[in-house]
Amino acid sequence: GENVEQHPSTLSVQEGDSAVIKCTYSDSASNYFPWYKQELGKRPQLIIDIRSNVGEKKDQRIAVTLNKTAKHFSLHITETQPEDSAVYFCAAKASGTYKYIFGTGTRLKVLA
Amino acid sequence: EAGVVQSPRYKIIEKKQPVAFWCNPISGHNTLYWYLQNLGQGPELLIRYENEEAVDDSQLPKDRFSAERLKGVDSTLKIQPAELGDSAVYLCASATSGDEQFFGPGTRLTVL
Repeated sequence: GENVEQHPSTLSVQEGDSAVIKCTYSDSASNYFPWYKQELGKRPQLIIDIRSNVGEKKDQRIAVTLNKTAKHFSLHITETQPEDSAVYFCAAKASGTYKYIFGTGTRLKVLA
Repeated sequence: EAGVVQSPRYKIIEKKQPVAFWCNPISGHNTLYWYLQNLGQGPELLIRYENEEAVDDSQLPKDRFSAERLKGVDSTLKIQPAELGDSAVYLCASATSGDEQFFGPGTRLTVL
C-alpha cells in the first residue's frame, strides 16, 4: 500500500542553524505534499505545501523542495529559533483523492 | 472563521466502558476525517465522510468503533467497549474541494 517514510525521527540543532527533514513517498500518483507543525498538545497546523508542478517553494525561513523522479520531498528551516521546536509531519495526497498518507513525524529541538 | 471544534478535549475511562467524541467541522466543509494519532506517530485515517456518506472506512475497527454524520455537518465517533490499546489522540479534520485540510485540537483518550 501507499506509505510515506520520514527521517530523521528526532533532530536537535543549535539556535540559528538550519534543519532539514526528508520524506519519501511510494505512490507515484501523489501530487500534493503538505508539511504540518504540531506543538505539544495542540493540533497539527499546515506550515507549507507544494504541488507536483513545482520543484521548490519558500516562505520566509521555511522552504520545501520536491524531486518527483526520486519521490523525495524535504522541509528546510533556516535560522532556527526555539519556537520552531515541535513535531513536524509530512504527508502526500494523490490527485483526485482525499486520502492523505502521513509520515511518522520528526521531533525538532532547537537548543538556545 | 471558527476552526474545527472537538469535544471533549480529554477523556479518561475504564476499559470496557463506552466513549464518544464529537466534531464540528468548518462551515461549508463537505469532507470530514477522523484520525487516530498514537504518541510519536503521524495521524492514521479511521474514516472519511463526504457529506453524510462514509466513503472510506476501511481502517475503522468495526467490531468496536462506529461513526456517524447524520446531517452532513457534525460527526460523532464512538468506541464500545474501549480497550487499553485505544488510548491515543483522536483528531478530526475537515476540507473543501481543495487540497488543504484543517485539524481540530483532538481528544486525548486514556483507557485505564
